[in-house]
Amino acid sequence: GENVEQHPSTLSVQEGDSAVIKCTYSDSASNYFPWYKQELGKRPQLIIDIRSNVGEKKDQRIAVTLNKTAKHFSLHITETQPEDSAVYFCAAVQDTGRRALTFGSGTRLQVQP
Amino acid sequence: DTEVTQTPKHLVMGMTNKKSLKCEQHMGHRAMYWYKQKAKKPPELMFVYSYEKLSINESVPSRFSPECPNSSLLNLHLHALQPEDSALYLCASSHGLAGAGGTQYFGPGTRLTVL
Repeated sequence: GENVEQHPSTLSVQEGDSAVIKCTYSDSASNYFPWYKQELGKRPQLIIDIRSNVGEKKDQRIAVTLNKTAKHFSLHITETQPEDSAVYFCAAVQDTGRRALTFGSGTRLQVQP
Repeated sequence: DTEVTQTPKHLVMGMTNKKSLKCEQHMGHRAMYWYKQKAKKPPELMFVYSYEKLSINESVPSRFSPECPNSSLLNLHLHALQPEDSALYLCASSHGLAGAGGTQYFGPGTRLTVL
């Protein structure tokens, strides 16, 4: 089955700096890669996603890149703000077979004011 | 309505109790999910319903019993739980099954404590 590894497990940055979180996946059939943000005590919320036919996607300060050959994808947050502090989960899924999200282990991002 | 709702928000139960968690969505989504989330861990898939039929059961113990009465509702019936079942139980929904169906939207969860 699919296995998703996520690094780093914790990340501390100064406000205004950039943050990068990386994930690798094992199943080359995976073709949809969402990123979720979960603040303390709240639900996971989708912040951005990417499909395998696209190499990069951007939404304001957030971007995701995908390298299908290397089987890794990354979340980039620029000009970080204290409200970006949360746990971020990457996930992968395919259109056939099990068709259920496999999550990475999560990254706790702390943005220091 | 663009939200998944869950009740109750918090639940404390003894090991001999029977209780139910409820999830509702009115987005016309045909896939619904139950996840269990322990502190500092990712959501762990329990069940998937597609068009009101159980599609995936991740070998969950029978003390957890899911039910999908209609396309908008998803229940999780709990009986004879163990203290290690204490966790945040999240419901999610999507247009279709993950991948082709795309984005899963999560409810706020039920914080369950088993004494």
